[in-house]
Amino acid sequence: DVKVTQSSRYLVKRTGEKVFLECVQDMDHENMFWYRQDPGLGLRLIYFSYDVKMKEKGDIPEGYSVSREKKERFSLILESASTNQTSMYLCASSLSTGWVNTEAFFGQGTRLTVV
Amino acid sequence: KNEVEQSPQNLTAQEGEFITINCSYSVGISALHWLQQHPGGGIVSLFMLSSGKKKHGRLIATINIQEKHSSLHITASHPRDSAVYICAATYSGGGADGLTFGKGTHLIIQP
Repeated sequence: DVKVTQSSRYLVKRTGEKVFLECVQDMDHENMFWYRQDPGLGLRLIYFSYDVKMKEKGDIPEGYSVSREKKERFSLILESASTNQTSMYLCASSLSTGWVNTEAFFGQGTRLTVV
Repeated sequence: KNEVEQSPQNLTAQEGEFITINCSYSVGISALHWLQQHPGGGIVSLFMLSSGKKKHGRLIATINIQEKHSSLHITASHPRDSAVYICAATYSGGGADGLTFGKGTHLIIQP
């Protein structure tokens, strides 16, 4: 019963490439999130979306953009990948933007390496 | 941004031991979440708390609103409990950017 699916578990990309990370959820949630996770820094919010075509910047949006054309799909785009974007990327969805009175569901993560 | 502090950062214990992981936060919150991340990356939500105590199998989560502190306990620990445990706080009035994460506790249970 997979609920949130990320398109890749592992990706290796070259510096300067445009990279797309895809996330699909099957729970009809309005809210979807992209986080990156780095050792010693924990989870940090890149962008979130509270509805189709709606997006808000998180804590570290620089170098990233997002797209939400359909409710179930939220894409993270690295416009020009750089080595400091090597990280674990996690997608999540929830009924509430702040997870108030509801839990969040995560994808399995994408470990991106930029060389 | 409001802080969430977890302790310990790393914990190694023997199978069967009682485990406690702590989480402190700075101001009033709407909810406190405990998450589990196994090697390989996927994160699972364990508990969501706004008061009191919750239990699921061998896992117990408590929160003390006055002391701004939550604990995650594991009874009769087992090697399959080895994971990173993360607490996350939803600060009052916060949306997605009001969620603050602890840096995680890396737990290893040895057979």
